[in-house]
Formats: sequence, structure tokens, C-alpha cells
Amino acid sequence: SSELTQDPAVSVALGQTVRITCQGDSLRSYYASWYQQKPGQAPVVVIYGKNNRPSGIPDRFSGSSSGNTASLTITGAQAEDEADYYCNCRDSSGNHWVFGGGTKLTVL
Amino acid sequence: QLQLQESGPGLVRPSETLSLTCSVSGGSISSGSNYWGWIRQPPGKGLEWIASIYYSGSTNYNPSLKSRVTISRDTSKNQFSLKLSSLTATDTAVYYCARHPEVYEDWFDPWGQGTLVTVSS
Repeated sequence: SSELTQDPAVSVALGQTVRITCQGDSLRSYYASWYQQKPGQAPVVVIYGKNNRPSGIPDRFSGSSSGNTASLTITGAQAEDEADYYCNCRDSSGNHWVFGGGTKLTVL
Repeated sequence: QLQLQESGPGLVRPSETLSLTCSVSGGSISSGSNYWGWIRQPPGKGLEWIASIYYSGSTNYNPSLKSRVTISRDTSKNQFSLKLSSLTATDTAVYYCARHPEVYEDWFDPWGQGTLVTVSS
């Protein structure tokens, strides 16, 4: 399969924990990477691989994976975390890349 | 510091061919185990991977776009390019270029700032 499914929208109270999920068959074979995109800006990687954070990404961002589901967790969400989040993974062939439809995160 | 910058026309007519170029600075597109890719985002919609070219020159295409897409590179200019033919309004999007390494735990980074392409007569 070459599809990754995300919930269109999620909300979280300021300071609380939120999990954003991504489902797809290829996640059984490959790790997801996660991207944060704010309006008018290019996406920025926040998590890749098993649970790797690029330099400059706060440690409140973490990733995990189980079966066909990858998750991005924000522990203690901040107002500046309000953004669209996309997962990405190779497809089952390993030769193509697929993005999830994106999740709009609202911080209340 | 690796930086990518897209360039190309902002407006193209339906049925024509779009040509975009990504200029890379701070690193060579022909060294290291990296892919160099194109991703697009229609207004208000999600991201779609289009194509990638490996540092060796081999290419990978999104199956849904493969018949209309060509990705190529010019190592002398440290640039890679995208051609998308038979344009329709649905190809209107912000087009990004990005590097993604050939590793098991891969990721797209950095990204260019993106260039908006509008398909309209």
C-alpha cells in the first residue's frame, strides 16, 4: 500500500500532551519522519527514524511506532506548536515516498 | 550549511510544460549518499512527493505522476531540475525541493523556501 492516514485535526490544551498518529502498511517496514509546517513556511522535520530529533527541535517532541502506526507525541504543548503536522515514509517498494494527509494541531 | 533555492516561472499556461530548478549551496549534489527531491503542495492541501534523483544520477518517480515528470541534474552548476508536462489547473501548487539521505531512518531536510506555480490561461 502507498497510503498514510492521519486525523485531519487534533486539539490540545496548553501544557498538556497530545499524540498525532499516522497509519499505513509500509510503516511495518519503514520508520516515519514527521514535519511541522506553519502558515506560509516550508515544512521542518521534527522527528525521524526510531525517535531522532534534529538539532534545535525541543525535547517535548518524540516519536514512536507500533505495527502499522507511527505516532508523534508532544509533551507539554506550547502555543508555538500550533501547526500542520505531516508524516512521511517510503512505500512498500522502498523506492517511493509518501506523505500523510496532514493533521492540523490547535493549542487551546 | 546546506541551502536549497527553487526558481522558475510563477505562471504557466494549461497544456504547457513546467520547468523548475533547485540550486544547492553548501554541499555537492554528486557526493554523499543523498537523494535530491521535489515535493509540491496545492493551496490549502497536503504535501505530495513528486520525484527524487540520487547523487549517482538514478531517479525515482511518484507512480501517479511518472508519465508527465522528468527529474535531472547539472552537476557542473550543482543544480537539479524538474519538468512537468501537460499541465492542468490541478498542478497549481507550491513546489519545494529538499535533500533526503539514503539511510534507513531517512528524512527530508533542508527544504527550499518553495515557489508558487499557478497554471492558468
